[in-house]
Amino acid sequence: DAGVTQSPTHLIKTRGQQVTLRCSPKSGHDTVSWYQQALGQGPQFIFQYYEEEERQRGNFPDRFSGHQFPNYSSELNVNALLLGDSALYLCASSLPPDRGGGYTFGSGTRLTVV
Amino acid sequence: AQSVSQHNHHVILSEAASLELGCNYSYGGTVNLFWYVQYPGQHLQLLLKYFSGDPLVKGIKGFEAEFIKSKFSFNLRKPSVQWSDTAEYFCAVINPGSARQLTFGSGTQLTVLP
Repeated sequence: DAGVTQSPTHLIKTRGQQVTLRCSPKSGHDTVSWYQQALGQGPQFIFQYYEEEERQRGNFPDRFSGHQFPNYSSELNVNALLLGDSALYLCASSLPPDRGGGYTFGSGTRLTVV
Repeated sequence: AQSVSQHNHHVILSEAASLELGCNYSYGGTVNLFWYVQYPGQHLQLLLKYFSGDPLVKGIKGFEAEFIKSKFSFNLRKPSVQWSDTAEYFCAVINPGSARQLTFGSGTQLTVLP
């Protein structure tokens, strides 16, 4: 059990469409980070949410947006999907920066854009 | 910006062989270092981490890593691998001042032959 729940597990979308991915953090964690893992590569940081605000962002276009809810769960939205957005999207939860602790990763959502 | 290099993309070993996977990072300040493992179809799991103190860190499943600050390295080792160690291994680094953004290497696929 990863402790972090992501849904859906797999998703197929058409180029130009929009997608929403969901993440429930591990119990006790209030910080959620999203990563994109393309085939054969390491995870790339998209953004991090804490206290319902985006705290830091990686090198991803504005088509990638997110949200964190009061219960700490989070959504990742991608607009105007491109073929290159096909990847495994990972959610990781953690305690906030000033409280240390490691990351716990979910199993990911496999997004295929056709 | 910090970066992480894993020079071995694919390593093939026989059972009982010794393992060393290389990891080098670019950031010159204080860093926290991690090794994660991703078994086929499973989520990323933390093998071990280094924050401070003894540079030789012991993790789960018999893995250990040594932090050598002068070489900006954090190599992963295991004296005797098993078939069940077949997985992808990722080195990652956090600059504590970066809101805990994990930067991953590109990963090393380890295949252990029975």
